[in-house]
Amino acid sequence: EVQLVESGGGLVQPGGSLRLSCAASGFTFRNYDMHWVRQATGKGLEWVSGISSAGDTYYPGSVKGRFTISRENAKNSLYLHMNSLTAGDTAVYYCARVTWGWNYFDSWGQGTLVTVS
Amino acid sequence: DIQMTQSPSSLSASVGDRVTFTCRASQSLSGYLQWYQQKPGKAPKLLIYGASSLQSGVPSRFSGSGSGTDFTLTISSLQPEDFATYYCQQSYSIPWTFGQGTKVEIK
Repeated sequence: EVQLVESGGGLVQPGGSLRLSCAASGFTFRNYDMHWVRQATGKGLEWVSGISSAGDTYYPGSVKGRFTISRENAKNSLYLHMNSLTAGDTAVYYCARVTWGWNYFDSWGQGTLVTVS
Repeated sequence: DIQMTQSPSSLSASVGDRVTFTCRASQSLSGYLQWYQQKPGKAPKLLIYGASSLQSGVPSRFSGSGSGTDFTLTISSLQPEDFATYYCQQSYSIPWTFGQGTKVEIK
């Protein structure tokens, strides 16, 4: 069974930094693209970053230069380093597995809450 | 960036109803369109990928259609467990974007 477990969320001051982790199990992690998606309370879903199985990274303009996605295949782990945080970054952050081809999010973690205040 | 617009933003329906909601993209997606269901406090769940392919394990009452810029999700007979928010998402070009969601409520 595919499992994705996020950790590292919490309360951080504006301008601060935080690192989120996602532990993957139940599949061959190194073969999959992995992404982060966030959701502010009561709001919709926003794609935050992605990393291919080859290590190529992708970001939307809203976080480019502030967030860095990385992966450690030997540990089946995905990370999101977040810098220069603002109140607008407050959200639940989900890690998600992407199936190549149609590029859809087929598995999601339970999420970790980041509060910038 | 590709803008995704869902309609309606919410709807009220009864168990057994056939419900349809739409998603319109600001440019052609060549079929790179997904639908997700999300219940309160839970992660989204994939229902449909590639505009019309049913994800494994998803009940057959869910179906997707459309092409180009206009897409539809249909629930043929609404069940109690289907009351949730539904999001469309394009994976045609980065940045991947979601619609704002359609909330299905009990009538």
